[in-house]
Amino acid sequence: SQQGEEDPQALSIQEGENATMNCSYKTSINNLQWYRQNSGRGLVHLILIRSNEREKHSGRLRVTLDTSKKSSSLLITASRAADTASYFCATFRTGNQFYFGTGTSLTVIP
Amino acid sequence: DTEVTQTPKHLVMGMTNKKSLKCEQHMGHRAMYWYKQKAKKPPELMFVYSYEKLSINESVPSRFSPECPNSSLLNLHLHALQPEDSALYLCASSQDPAGGYGYTFGSGTRLTVV
Repeated sequence: SQQGEEDPQALSIQEGENATMNCSYKTSINNLQWYRQNSGRGLVHLILIRSNEREKHSGRLRVTLDTSKKSSSLLITASRAADTASYFCATFRTGNQFYFGTGTSLTVIP
Repeated sequence: DTEVTQTPKHLVMGMTNKKSLKCEQHMGHRAMYWYKQKAKKPPELMFVYSYEKLSINESVPSRFSPECPNSSLLNLHLHALQPEDSALYLCASSQDPAGGYGYTFGSGTRLTVV
């Protein structure tokens, strides 16, 4: 049931640097969402971008969506140690089909 | 109240036991979901309830039985599980089953089958 793939699988950066992770998916979608998951915990919704939108910002987060390439990217600027987590994209299609990508594990080194 | 509450947080059960996982939300959300997540893997969709009716069953084995008693509650009944069913079980809800809104997740139930 997995819809998308993310890369890189793992990313390690220094505090203050920017982190970029990418998501590719397979079918048409209504919207794409990004979530953060701290180890062994529930997922936290970060941002939602609709299929007719190309870019969206929320605080230090910037998300882009290219429906022609079936891809999205999440940029976290000025990263902090507290940003260390796994990040998942998730795609939503009509019919209530909501599936997660493979995830990117981000480590921010203080 | 902007939370999804899952109980218990941890559960250890034998293969012959019957247990239930509980999920509760009071945000007026009309869609609720069960996901299963293995270590270092993404959550996998199991069931979707839309307006208290089961709308999606992702070919989940019958040893997992969902129930939605009302719009605020979602249960997952477990019976005759296998050790490979050990995982983090996540409940989520969303405002509108038709989509367009983010999902709110609970913290999960860590299930160990022995």
